[in-house]
Amino acid sequence: QQQVKQSPQSLIVQKGGISIINCAYENTAFDYFPWYQQFPGKGPALLIAIRPDVSEKKEGRFTISFNKSAKQFSLHIMDSQPGDSATYFCAASHTWPGQNFVFGPGTRLSVLP
Amino acid sequence: GAGVSQSPSNKVTEKGKDVELRCDPISGHTALYWYRQSLGQGLEFLIYFQGNSAPDKSGLPSDRFSAERTGGSVSTLTIQRTQQEDSAVYLCASSPDGNTIYFGEGSWLTVV
Repeated sequence: QQQVKQSPQSLIVQKGGISIINCAYENTAFDYFPWYQQFPGKGPALLIAIRPDVSEKKEGRFTISFNKSAKQFSLHIMDSQPGDSATYFCAASHTWPGQNFVFGPGTRLSVLP
Repeated sequence: GAGVSQSPSNKVTEKGKDVELRCDPISGHTALYWYRQSLGQGLEFLIYFQGNSAPDKSGLPSDRFSAERTGGSVSTLTIQRTQQEDSAVYLCASSPDGNTIYFGEGSWLTVV
C-alpha cells in the first residue's frame, strides 16, 4: 500500500514536444504529491507539487494533473527542452507529522535537440 | 543560505571496513531523512528523524546500518563491515515542514 508506481521507465521526446510521466498510488492517506528532478551527479530537487484538493497545478512549462478517484497523477512538460533531460521522480507523503516520503522508481527523460 | 551539506562527497573503502557519512541539514529544519540510490535506480528510504521523536528506522537494510542525529541537527550514517552491495549514493535530505524536502548532493560510496 506504500508503493508509488511510475511509468514510463524512460522517455525520449523531440525538442518542443510534450513529455508525460504518470504515477499511481494506493494509500488514500497520502495527501501531498511532489515531483523531483535529478540531474546526473546531483541530488533531487523539488520541481512542483500538488495537494488532492485541486485537479491541476501549473508552473511555467510544468503541469501536474491529479485524479483523486483514480489515485493517479501525472507530470506534463510542455515545449520540452534539451535542458529538461534528467530523471524525474514522483513521490507521495502524509501531512506533517506523518510518515516519510515514498518515491516512484523514476523516469529518465531525454529531450533530443 | 546554505543547503544540505554532506561529507565526504566520495568514499572508497575496502570490504569489511566501517564507514561514516555525515549530513548537515539546513538550519532550523526539524526533519532529516537518509535515502540510498544505487546506480541508475530509484530512491530507497533508510531512516527518518523528526525532532525529538524516536526515528523511523524501518528502511535500514540490515543491522550493519545505523544512524544518529545529535542535538537535533547533524546526522551520521554508519555502515559497519561494508559489503560490495553497499556501494551506492547515500542522500541526506531535510525539511522544515515535512512536505518540502531538500536533498544534499550525496555521498558516493564505493566498496572494493
